[in-house]
Amino acid sequence: EDQVTQSPEALRLQEGESSSLNCSYTVSGLRGLFWYRQDPGKGPEFLFTLYSAGEEKEKERLKATLTKKESFLHITAPKPEDSATYLCAPSVQTATGRRALTFGSGTRLQVQP
Amino acid sequence: DTGVSQNPRHKITKRGQNVTFRCDPISEHNRLYWYRQTLGQGPEFLTYFQNEAQLEKSRLLSDRFSAERPKGSFSTLEIQRTEQGDSAMYLCASSFLGAVGTDTQYFGPGTRLTVL
Repeated sequence: EDQVTQSPEALRLQEGESSSLNCSYTVSGLRGLFWYRQDPGKGPEFLFTLYSAGEEKEKERLKATLTKKESFLHITAPKPEDSATYLCAPSVQTATGRRALTFGSGTRLQVQP
Repeated sequence: DTGVSQNPRHKITKRGQNVTFRCDPISEHNRLYWYRQTLGQGPEFLTYFQNEAQLEKSRLLSDRFSAERPKGSFSTLEIQRTEQGDSAMYLCASSFLGAVGTDTQYFGPGTRLTVL
């Protein structure tokens, strides 16, 4: 069975204090790993897709990396507006062609000014 | 640029009542998904449409749940005889599967259901 574990569950940073979030996964036949950001009471917002080990993608203060069993979301010099829950979701393709996302429980990030 | 929209945003109902939610996907998207999310958890897949055809249903989708996507445009999710355990955020997502096949799912704002 596909499993996804995100750590830490919660992280409190001071503004400007860089850190990394971890997503460990066990899936058979990975067809991309997705990162989303979710603000309280809102739907997840797409950030990145990574397809192969060694791939990296960046967006503003965020950089996502992928290995065969983990993905990391590095946050450089975070600002209070980066406070959110970050969800990772490895995906596989089902028999109907659906890209099936298995979401982790997320890391709740709080950045204090 | 219009994203995925969902209505209503909040619904409070009494146990045993029926409720219906609506999702309007991004206009050119041919795939539509429903998820359920409870507090502190990631979204869980419920069902999936490609155009108007419902191709998959999760075992989470009991027979009290039904979803439609007439004409391959908007979709509705109905819950009959609601139970307190149905209280959750119901999320809709849409994607476009084209020749390249990136198929990224974009989520709506969700409908928060509270069953009293």
